[in-house]
Amino acid sequence: EVQLLESGGGLVQPGGSLRLSCAASGFTFSSYAMSWVRQAPGKGLEWVSVISGSGGSTYYADSVKGRFTISRDNSKNTLFLQMNSLRADDTAVYHCAKGLQTTGTTNALDNWGQGTLVTVYS
Amino acid sequence: DIQMPQSPSSLSASLGDRVTITCRASQGIGDYLAWYQQRPGKVPKLLIYSASTLQSGVPSRFSGSVSGTDFTLTISSLQPEDVATYYCQRYNGALKTFGQGTKVEIK
Repeated sequence: EVQLLESGGGLVQPGGSLRLSCAASGFTFSSYAMSWVRQAPGKGLEWVSVISGSGGSTYYADSVKGRFTISRDNSKNTLFLQMNSLRADDTAVYHCAKGLQTTGTTNALDNWGQGTLVTVYS
Repeated sequence: DIQMPQSPSSLSASLGDRVTITCRASQGIGDYLAWYQQRPGKVPKLLIYSASTLQSGVPSRFSGSVSGTDFTLTISSLQPEDVATYYCQRYNGALKTFGQGTKVEIK
C-alpha cells in the first residue's frame, strides 16, 4: 500500500523559511516523479512543483519560482520542499503526491498525502 | 501559461441525474488531462487520466471525453457519494495547472 506522510509545517513569519518533508513507502520511490500541491483554506488546488524520479528535472509554478526548491533523497525515500521568503499567500495545506506512471514528470497524480499546514502570519 | 477554466463553478442536481463538467484548455494539450474528486475534508482522488482513461477502482458512472481543447467529465447517474468538488489538471509541459474546481451538490 502506498503511503505518503508529510511533515514540517507550522507557523512562520513573512520572510521566513520552512522545510517540508514527505516520507514515502509502498512503492519504488526512485522510479516515480513526485509533486507538491497546495490548497489555501477554502480555496482550490494549486500545483506547486514536480521533480523527476532521478531528481534531474524540476519544475515550479510561477508563484513560487526562485523562492521554493524541490528535492528528493532516493536512499531515504523522502521528498522535500525548501520554502524561503515566505509570504502570507503561501498559507495552505501542502500535499505531496505520486506520479501515476514511471514516465517522467508528465503524469497524473494517483496517490496523495494528507498534507501539512503552513501558516504565514505577521 | 496555459489556463484551464472550468465550468460551471458549482451545480446542484438530483439523484440519478446526468452531470457534465467542462474544462477548456487555452492551447492544445493533447490528451494530457486528469480529473480529480475531492470530497469534503478529504484528499483529492484521481478519477480519470489521459482525458478518458478510468483510474482503477473508480465507478463506471464516471467518464471523460475530449474534443479539441474541450474536456468533459460526465457522471451518468449522480449518487449521494458524488457530492464533492471536481478539478481538472493538465499535466504536460512544465506547468501542471489545475482548473478552479466545480462544486457538485444534491438538489
